Amino acid sequence: VLLQESGPGLVRPSETLSLTCTVSGDSITSNHWSWIRQTPGKGLEWIGYVSFSGGTNYNPSLMGRVTQSLDTSNNHFSLRLASVTAADTGLYYCARGKATPDFWGQGTWVTVSS
Amino acid sequence: IQMTQSPSSLSASVGDTVTITCQASQDIITSLNWFQHKPGKAPKLLIYGASKLETGVPSRFRGRGSGTHFTFTITSLQPEDVATFYCQQSDNLPPTFGGGTKVELK
Repeated sequence: VLLQESGPGLVRPSETLSLTCTVSGDSITSNHWSWIRQTPGKGLEWIGYVSFSGGTNYNPSLMGRVTQSLDTSNNHFSLRLASVTAADTGLYYCARGKATPDFWGQGTWVTVSS
Repeated sequence: IQMTQSPSSLSASVGDTVTITCQASQDIITSLNWFQHKPGKAPKLLIYGASKLETGVPSRFRGRGSGTHFTFTITSLQPEDVATFYCQQSDNLPPTFGGGTKVELK
């Protein structure tokens, strides 16, 4: 199972961060899929997951700003984080699993700066 | 749930036994995972359910504990084990991680 994150490496403050995770070796309709980030201020932080049916669960610390979704036609899933600030700068990972992520992508660095 | 991991870093020689501890702020039964992370690579799940070895992981990695206190041990440290190791609780959402332990060679 391989996961690969993609998206802009630079986002302006107050705008929306958008990332995509492309999955190979598994179908996104057969598991749960998570986003996790590593920021200088908070270490590793679970952002949320989207289930095989499209249901979602988000970290309360980010509630209201996060949206995750599936694209079954392309076997990928996505993250949108609205109203970003410098505190959202960090390494963003996608992973398979809800609470025990067993396969992760290598991560993509996102900088929030004007 | 807060996860407190110690030490934050350690230095050991090849062949040494290394132990990392992880304390949960409340009872998480055995819902505890350990990950290995090397720079530029995807984090790797080593142990789940506190003591179950993920498929393909060498047996020199061992996890123990239940409730709030957990340990992770590497017996006979190898050069390829240089990495940062994290504990993570999977009992309650949101899953939360320890601060990490950076393992280096002397």
